[in-house]
Amino acid sequence: QKEVEQNSGPLSVPEGAIASLNCTYSDRGSQSFFWYRQYSGKSPELIMFIYSNGDKEDGRFTAQLNKASQYVSLLIRDSQPSDSATYLCAVLNAGGTSYGKLTFGQGTILTVHP
Amino acid sequence: GAVVSQHPSWVICKSGTSVKIECRSLDFQATTMFWYRQFPKQSLMLMATSNEGSKATYEQGVEKDKFLINHASLTLSTLTVTSAHPEDSSFYICSALTVNDSPLHFGNGTRLTVT
Repeated sequence: QKEVEQNSGPLSVPEGAIASLNCTYSDRGSQSFFWYRQYSGKSPELIMFIYSNGDKEDGRFTAQLNKASQYVSLLIRDSQPSDSATYLCAVLNAGGTSYGKLTFGQGTILTVHP
Repeated sequence: GAVVSQHPSWVICKSGTSVKIECRSLDFQATTMFWYRQFPKQSLMLMATSNEGSKATYEQGVEKDKFLINHASLTLSTLTVTSAHPEDSSFYICSALTVNDSPLHFGNGTRLTVT
């Protein structure tokens, strides 16, 4: 059973702080990892993807991947109230007949308060 | 970037009727499209994988005769919820795969309410 686990939160941080979102996955063969942001009633929008161990930065967002620990995280620097949303961690199935399938975590609700 | 268009964005129907949802890739050819369902306060659950020109592959527990999927071209996949019931009320979202290992692109979703 392929699983992706996230702390459902809610995670509350003050404006300007760093928000840290964590995700673990069970399939050691997974190669591709994605973070999506979902506002209430809306479809998920891609924030970042990461394939290699280490950090990947894009503006205020940094994704971190540690395949040995089967752990992926998302850091949001200088958090803004507009960042308040549900953040979904997703893992792309490795291949074969399952190629392209995303397995989602349950999502972490982030609230950034002024 | 790649754009996926989903229509309608919301629909209300009576119990027992059928509803068709369209998913189009606007600026790319999608050999594979995915249909997800999301109930309130839950995460996205994959329902089925739609491949152009072949039968869809359904996830365990998803009734293929109830959720009919047609992927007749490289830019269009449709999901038909047949004989809808109130428990089918959900947020249905499609996504499309562009090239191998590319991030999936999601449509805007369809909010289905069955009364």
